Amino acid sequence: QMQLVESGGGAVQPGTSLRLSCAGSGFLFSDHAIHWVRQAPGKGLEWVAVISYDGTVKNYGDSVKGRFIISRDNSRDTVFLQMNSLRAEEAAVYYCAKDVKDIGATPDFWGQGTLVTVSS
Amino acid sequence: DIQLTQSPSSLSATVGDKVTITCRASQGISTYLAWFQQKPGKAPKSLIYAASSLQRGVPSKFSGSGSGTDFTLTISGLQPEDFATYYCQQYYLHPFTFGPGTKVDFK
Repeated sequence: QMQLVESGGGAVQPGTSLRLSCAGSGFLFSDHAIHWVRQAPGKGLEWVAVISYDGTVKNYGDSVKGRFIISRDNSRDTVFLQMNSLRAEEAAVYYCAKDVKDIGATPDFWGQGTLVTVSS
Repeated sequence: DIQLTQSPSSLSATVGDKVTITCRASQGISTYLAWFQQKPGKAPKSLIYAASSLQRGVPSKFSGSGSGTDFTLTISGLQPEDFATYYCQQYYLHPFTFGPGTKVDFK
């Protein structure tokens, strides 16, 4: 069955970097855009980034533009989120989600999330 | 950026109730609106896309409507498993944005 598995979360200090991974299976990974969405403790959902099926189109939320980089390796059915200059307020559960389309519309299936803690 | 507001922010209901949640966009977004359900400690679940189309496997008690700036999510015949927080999301213009959520709990 369809699966998205996030990994790479952990505890880091402000100003440092972390790379998250999202591995997909059970569907044709290279046909779909993939989103990253985060949720700080007790807060709502915040859209972070999306990458098109072939990696050529990338879009970011305002708060992460210039610091986060989304990429994908379709040979490994994996999407990455490189997070640089992390801030304390970016501590959250980070979810990856499969898009209904190839170029980025809206998610139709979500992973279980990976927790990122940013604290000194 | 397009702002989404949801009303109410929370509501109390009982099993069997019909519940309606509203999402309003700060500018017209055609029908580029989705709805998600999230239970505590769990990942969101996609319910509706294109304002009114049900995602695969979502029961027909969920329905969506609207276009432009005003949208609604209706749950007909509320069941215990429907008590959750519901979010709308616009994908008309980048950056995509979510509404603040509506929590549906037991009366």
